[in-house]
Amino acid sequence: NAGVMQNPRHLVRRRGQEARLRCSPMKGHSHVYWYRQLPEEGLKFMVYLQKENIIDESGMPKERFSAEFPKEGPSILRIQQVVRGDSAAYFCASSPSETGKNIQYFGAGTRLSVL
Amino acid sequence: AQSVTQLDSHVSVSEGTPVLLRCNYSSSYSPSLFWYVQHPNKGLQLLLKYTSAATLVKGINGFEAEFKKSETSFHLTKPSAHMSDAAEYFCVVGALSGGYNKLIFGAGTRLAVHP
Repeated sequence: NAGVMQNPRHLVRRRGQEARLRCSPMKGHSHVYWYRQLPEEGLKFMVYLQKENIIDESGMPKERFSAEFPKEGPSILRIQQVVRGDSAAYFCASSPSETGKNIQYFGAGTRLSVL
Repeated sequence: AQSVTQLDSHVSVSEGTPVLLRCNYSSSYSPSLFWYVQHPNKGLQLLLKYTSAATLVKGINGFEAEFKKSETSFHLTKPSAHMSDAAEYFCVVGALSGGYNKLIFGAGTRLAVHP
């Protein structure tokens, strides 16, 4: 059973370009969470999605950031017109359901560098 | 509101000596608590979790943590450190929000193990 798969592992973009980060949850998991880790900090919640639905995007910046989890295919975190402050590690996690006692399993992350 | 504080940003121990990583939490109800470990440029791995069962929780690689409600603490310990334990450790509280578990991370403790 493959774990949570994120790609690319490293992404370099110039200011103003778009970044697309992909996350395939573990088999059988229909709940996906995105977190951002700035240098020397802990992870901060961004968004929680179920298939075709955004459940909670309270941690996501209102502009330039969007997320989706389509019926088929991976979850996508999209950052438009990237700025240097977007440089961070972006982690995806998945769980089989949303109940409080379920573990979230994390991918290896995508490290975004904005030049 | 839920929050978590890791009291030490860096801990340094000698190989074979005990490890203590301190964590205090704030929660308005009985929390779910987790410790995750992150090795350099890797994803997060769950060490252990507390979900209102036994207060002493045993995890992988010889780690354990004790939930102390009176002290609002969930410190991570290991009797004897190994070189491979050098990593970043995150104390995490699960905050139930709208029926799902939003993870709130501490800032992390970087553990160094010296020969």
